[in-house]
Amino acid sequence: DGGITQSPKYLFRKEGQNVTLSCEQNLNHDAMYWYRQDPGQGLRLIYYSQIVNDFQKGDIAEGYSVSREKKESFPLTVTSAQKNPTAFYLCASSPRGRVIPQPQHFGDGTRLSIL
Amino acid sequence: AQSVTQLGSHVSVSEGALVLLRCNYSSSVPPYLFWYVQYPNQGLQLLLKYTSAATLVKGINGFEAEFKKSETSFHLTKPSAHMSDAAEYFCAVRSIGPGGGADGLTFGKGTHLIIQP
Repeated sequence: DGGITQSPKYLFRKEGQNVTLSCEQNLNHDAMYWYRQDPGQGLRLIYYSQIVNDFQKGDIAEGYSVSREKKESFPLTVTSAQKNPTAFYLCASSPRGRVIPQPQHFGDGTRLSIL
Repeated sequence: AQSVTQLGSHVSVSEGALVLLRCNYSSSVPPYLFWYVQYPNQGLQLLLKYTSAATLVKGINGFEAEFKKSETSFHLTKPSAHMSDAAEYFCAVRSIGPGGGADGLTFGKGTHLIIQP
């Protein structure tokens, strides 16, 4: 079955440490997204990528970095510069919609906590 | 710019009663609208979408939504609530990327639906 796999499901970060969240999709989608979800805040866009080797900052990119070396993969690194990283992180993908936006398909998320 | 307002962070209904979740949008371009559902500790699942065809859109699990341009609304309804409908619901509107492409979504803050027995 096609889908999006996020790993790990739970992750703990120490102060001053960078951590990387994995996101892999086998839906052959061009576009991929990273969102952060906090209680009562909805989803906020961190980064997105419309094509391999290209990505754009979203609304809250500070303290995060991404890469898009392969179509299937869009890892997110939470750096030590992100002072409040505790949140639920969701990865999504969609076909690229030039005129009509396509629905986004979501992974099951990674919950990041600070030790 | 695009934005979404979901009225009511929590909505409580009795099992078997009508479900109504409200969504109002603001968009500088013709809107395309989506409703998603999220169960605890899971990702989001698409319920339905409006892409300028019929104004009444039917989705999965018995949900439907009506696009009303004059009211800038896209409210989600279900005639009879079931216990399994308890979840978080998100309304989203398309946003425009820096290259002008229509491949982003702006989400509302969500409405938590509570079903009382």
